[in-house]
Amino acid sequence: QVQLQESGPGLVKASETLSLTCTVSGGSISNSYWSWIRQPPGKGLEWIANIHSSGTTNYNPSLKSRVTISVDASKNQISLKVNSVTAADTAIYYCARVPGYRSRFDPWGQGTLVTVSS
Amino acid sequence: QSALTQPPSVSGAPGQRVTISCTGSSSNIGAGYNVHWYQQLPGTAPKVLIYDNNNRPSGVPERFSASKSGTSASLAITGLQAEDEADYYCQSYDIYLSGWVFGGGTKLTVL
Repeated sequence: QVQLQESGPGLVKASETLSLTCTVSGGSISNSYWSWIRQPPGKGLEWIANIHSSGTTNYNPSLKSRVTISVDASKNQISLKVNSVTAADTAIYYCARVPGYRSRFDPWGQGTLVTVSS
Repeated sequence: QSALTQPPSVSGAPGQRVTISCTGSSSNIGAGYNVHWYQQLPGTAPKVLIYDNNNRPSGVPERFSASKSGTSASLAITGLQAEDEADYYCQSYDIYLSGWVFGGGTKLTVL
């Protein structure tokens, strides 16, 4: 079965760029949708961005100006970049597969905590 | 403010039945998009509990059920158990936002 693993720096300085990678194992990244979701400590879930293996993307309007999602099919990886980070970007970042068009998130990676320091 | 509205908390004694509501609008649930429910145990990633309004993945007990009507949905848990203590989130798609939306989450406390 498909498994997802997020990786990246746990600490990022304010105003810099947050970069994360999600590695997919147990299945191909092709012909599927993939998303990034985040959860600030003690708070709820927020969808960030979505990408199809073909390259088609969707972004949360509230983050669109600062976020880039991309896919590398040769490495079975999905990447996320968030520019000009502030303390408000401190969160657990999850990647997840979207098994159908505009569908649910399943499965999820275990998540990675990113803290933005001043 | 979340596009989907859930009560911040619910509670119940072991063996009791609780429900969690999820109120949306004509641009998400009311537009016909499916509602999905997630259970998040402390310190873990969310896991699908109910998908496509009322379907349970294999391994999810029959004690968990859900329904959808109009612009709202609800999750019901019967025979409450201590291990059900978790955060629960509803999720759908919003055509106005052109993206996925979550409820704010509901913390279930088993008394």
